[in-house]
Amino acid sequence: EAGVAQSPRYKIIEKRQSVAFWCNPISGHATLYWYQQILGQGPKLLIQFQNNGVVDDSQLPKDRFSAERLKGVDSTLKIQPAKLEDSAVYLCASSYMAGSFSTDTQYFGPGTRLTVL
Amino acid sequence: KQEVTQIPAALSVPEGENLVLNCSFTDSAIYNLQWFRQDPGKGLTSLLLIQSSQREQTSGRLNASLDKSSGRSTLYIAASQPGDSATYLCAAAGAGSYQLTFGKGTKLSVIP
Repeated sequence: EAGVAQSPRYKIIEKRQSVAFWCNPISGHATLYWYQQILGQGPKLLIQFQNNGVVDDSQLPKDRFSAERLKGVDSTLKIQPAKLEDSAVYLCASSYMAGSFSTDTQYFGPGTRLTVL
Repeated sequence: KQEVTQIPAALSVPEGENLVLNCSFTDSAIYNLQWFRQDPGKGLTSLLLIQSSQREQTSGRLNASLDKSSGRSTLYIAASQPGDSATYLCAAAGAGSYQLTFGKGTKLSVIP
């Protein structure tokens, strides 16, 4: 089974520029997550989708970050304008979510490493 | 707000040793506790998931335990190998929104 795909793998931009990341989850997975992982830290959830609806975006900086999941499959995460502190790895994950939270496992993509200069 | 702490931050052991990684969490209202492995430049790989009603899970040389009352989980790795070198992260799945809260990880180096 194909894993979670993300692109690009690396991106370097200057502050105040915009950037977009793409994620294709595992086929059949209803739930999609975007995480931000700053160097030396654990991943922090930015937004969670169930099909094409938002479940949790409480930690998404909505003044500059936006995300969408069209048709309940692929997703894009956008930053506009970028700040120096946005330098991090952006991880996408998906899960089947068969109805039981207690046994649901998340599968992660390789991530996109963003450097803001 | 859930907080997850992992000790130690880094660990170096000779090949063949048994070792224990520690994880503590502040809110015992969780769906499950998960352990992940992260290799440099790569995403996270799920190792073990312990449901809140369970005490432990085993997979090969890995054994994870969960004590909700004390807010602790341990990951035991038997007969360590150089290929086990990676960062190990634990995450607590919060009851309610099912948000995963991660610790900062333990960086393990197994010396041949």
